[in-house]
Amino acid sequence: GESVGLHLPTLSVQEGDNSIINCAYSNSASDYFIWYKQESGKGPQFIIDIRSNMDKRQGQRVTVLLNKTVKHLSLQIAATQPGDSAVYFCAENGAGNMLTFGGGTRLMVKP
Amino acid sequence: DAGITQSPRHKVTETGTPVTLRCHQTENHRYMYWYRQDPGHGLRLIHYSYGVKDTDKGEVSDGYSVSRSKTEDFLLTLESATSSQTSVYFCAISTDRAMDGYTFGSGTRLTVV
Repeated sequence: GESVGLHLPTLSVQEGDNSIINCAYSNSASDYFIWYKQESGKGPQFIIDIRSNMDKRQGQRVTVLLNKTVKHLSLQIAATQPGDSAVYFCAENGAGNMLTFGGGTRLMVKP
Repeated sequence: DAGITQSPRHKVTETGTPVTLRCHQTENHRYMYWYRQDPGHGLRLIHYSYGVKDTDKGEVSDGYSVSRSKTEDFLLTLESATSSQTSVYFCAISTDRAMDGYTFGSGTRLTVV
């Protein structure tokens, strides 16, 4: 499959543990944020989003936290599974209301 | 991904040759985007379209052109391919510029030799 990146930050977790992936965003005016998951050989897939009037949003096994004071976004994955192994990107609606993507973090789940 | 198809999935071409990548959608979304993805750079916007015949440049548009003659098709052309254009190319679609998120295609791996 396509190589997503050879020099990404990597988070390695044990199966069943919780994972926390962090993202610093750049534009204090951004009011919408998304987390994407990219598996090897595939395009990015939407996981969860959050608007700036919220500081927390939960989905199925995933939670996104937003700290606008320090421009920080995090993705928490509960009970991490081997199928969660992927690269995770955050995105913000920055200049021109276009999405701007972070560099990504590779999550590796050890069985 | 459902509703968006990229072709070809893989291509090897020689320096100096023209190359066209195709993105086809069945969602009738207004916005379409071309990104390239490289190690150390993440996703970078090449061009985007906000309607038929309406396109604009992204941050890395040099060496690329696009066309959108129909809602469903967005073509990316490398007029004269260079080795620096070796990359994975992703097309994305959206209903609105950002607030509904983007749906991505599966990508095209292009190698320029």
